[in-house]
Amino acid sequence: QVQLVESGGGVVQPGGSLRLSCAASGFTFSNYGIHWVRQAPGKGLEWVTFTECDGSSKLYADSVKGRFTISRDNSKNTLDLQMNNLRPEDTAVYYCTKDEVPGKPGAGPGYWGQGTLVTVSS
Amino acid sequence: QSVLTQQPSESGTPGQRVTISCSGSSSNVGRHAVNWYQQLPGTAPKLLVYRDNQRPSGVPDRFSGSRSGTSASLAISGLQSEDEADYYCSTWDDNLKGRLFGGGTKLTVL
Repeated sequence: QVQLVESGGGVVQPGGSLRLSCAASGFTFSNYGIHWVRQAPGKGLEWVTFTECDGSSKLYADSVKGRFTISRDNSKNTLDLQMNNLRPEDTAVYYCTKDEVPGKPGAGPGYWGQGTLVTVSS
Repeated sequence: QSVLTQQPSESGTPGQRVTISCSGSSSNVGRHAVNWYQQLPGTAPKLLVYRDNQRPSGVPDRFSGSRSGTSASLAISGLQSEDEADYYCSTWDDNLKGRLFGGGTKLTVL
């Protein structure tokens, strides 16, 4: 069955960096676009970033552009999110989600991992 | 304030039909298909409807979606206590060049 397992969350000081990872299994990883979506404590969902199935296109929300970088390794079925210059408002649960349909342009987030908590605080 | 507007709360009694709305603009709902997600307390969101009205396998046909103009809606018929959750709409926005989520609707089953 489809599995997405996030790791790498934790507590970091403002201005610091953190690298999240997402390990995928149970589907042909290289056929699907992958999104990161976050949820601040007690708040709604916020789309963060997306990479096409082949990594050819990467998109970012304005709130993280220039600070976050998404990357994928289709040979290892893994996805990373490098987060630099973190701010308190980046505090959230970060979910790795695979697109619902294979290929391009996709149909948006389908299956979601369980998420990993990032806390930015001094 | 979300670009996609949902009513903050909705309620119904078991067996009733409820509708959750999602209002956007020509750059998002007016041009792109809408997905709907259910988030039970303490869990990850789950996809209920994609591409306006398609249900992933395993989602009961009590859940149905539609889109017209710059608005979309999720209808839940035969309401059950386990439907008590937060519901979010989502679509692409041409101006922001990114995906949007609505602010969410908290559904209470009375």
